[in-house]
Amino acid sequence: DGGITQSPKYLFRKEGQNVTLSCEQNLNHDAMYWYRQDPGQGLRLIYYSQIVNDFQKGDIAEGYSVSREKKESFPLTVTSAQKNPTAFYLCATVGWTDGSEGYTFGSGTRLTVV
Amino acid sequence: EDKVVQSPLSLVVHEGDTVTLNCSYEVTNFRSLLWYKQEKKAPTFLFMLTSSGIEKKSGRLSSILDKKELFSILNITATQTGDSAIYLCAVEIPRAGGTSYGKLTFGQGTILTVHP
Repeated sequence: DGGITQSPKYLFRKEGQNVTLSCEQNLNHDAMYWYRQDPGQGLRLIYYSQIVNDFQKGDIAEGYSVSREKKESFPLTVTSAQKNPTAFYLCATVGWTDGSEGYTFGSGTRLTVV
Repeated sequence: EDKVVQSPLSLVVHEGDTVTLNCSYEVTNFRSLLWYKQEKKAPTFLFMLTSSGIEKKSGRLSSILDKKELFSILNITATQTGDSAIYLCAVEIPRAGGTSYGKLTFGQGTILTVHP
């Protein structure tokens, strides 16, 4: 099955800890994205990557870091510098799938700071 | 600053009603406008609009884009309880040079609740 796998589905973090959210895809898409969604709101772009070893800041990159060492993987680290990290995090890719071009989203990781 | 604004932010209707969701945008560059439905987790794709005035339809849902006035609407006729969801509008903004994928800028979403 082609798709995006985000793990874990639920994550709890103590204040002051860094955590890393995983995003893996087997769609062979070049572009990958991380979005954050707060309750009842739209998605805001954190970071995106067009190709391996390259990434750009989105609109709310402060307190986050990413890497793109492999085409299939785009992990997101939420650092202790992110003051309000509790949110739903979505990973997405864009490219051709089954004959059409579009964005594909993972199922998300819900991060809660305790 | 690129901006996408949706209205209303929330809407409560009864089954059988028709609803119209609005999306306006101000962006530096435009490639397409997309509508998504989000029920619990991942948004699911509804429509991609690139040309003005051409209506796209899928069952009870339809959407149209006006590139002159910079807005789009999503219509849902004969609503059902299964239509209850967050509806997201996003504009795709290409990178400089337009030769590779850009980014999606989303609106706040419209929370639609359909009561039986």
